[in-house]
Amino acid sequence: EPEVTQTPSHQVTQMGQEVILRCVPISNHLYFYWYRQILGQKVEFLVSFYNNEISEKSEIFDDQFSVERPDGSNFTLKIRSTKLEDSAMYFCASKLGLGDEQFFGPGTRLTVL
Amino acid sequence: SQQGEEDPQALSIQEGENATMNCSYKTSINNLQWYRQNSGRGLVHLILIRSNEREKHSGRLRVTLDTSKKSSSLLITASRAADTASYFCATAGNNDMRFGAGTRLTVKP
Repeated sequence: EPEVTQTPSHQVTQMGQEVILRCVPISNHLYFYWYRQILGQKVEFLVSFYNNEISEKSEIFDDQFSVERPDGSNFTLKIRSTKLEDSAMYFCASKLGLGDEQFFGPGTRLTVL
Repeated sequence: SQQGEEDPQALSIQEGENATMNCSYKTSINNLQWYRQNSGRGLVHLILIRSNEREKHSGRLRVTLDTSKKSSSLLITASRAADTASYFCATAGNNDMRFGAGTRLTVKP
């Protein structure tokens, strides 16, 4: 069964460093998303992406964040200068059509020291 | 925002009993989805109910949606210890999806 994959599973970085989190959505899906979940808290929407552009972004998704679909398969989230409070689980998700369910990847645990 | 809010925050039941979790939200939605998350793990999609549907079943799961009250419920029948997890409702707009804080379900063997 097709699934969303994410790499790495765990990323440790120093404050101020740039990180790139990678996702491979399900191959025929058209809508892509990033979410984050700070430990013990709820899942928060970051950004949605369709047709090679951002559809919507939350207040969390400030200028430190960017997304890219550099080729036909990868979908990346870049955090330019990480802060301690960026430590969280980051989930990628994709879906086929507008009204369909989103399928989530296993997440990348980001730890900022 | 249209994000869902679940209640109760925590629920503890015996194996074999039914578990009911509720979700309320604030604005109009395209659909509402329920997800399950085991501690520290990823999100597993359980069921999607569209805004024009009132009830949906999938195995031991039953979901209702009342758009006039902006609420949904998830019923798990004949619960098992393996159902122990956090359950989240998520409301989908056109371009985003917002999650509630979740209900932590513990099923005791």
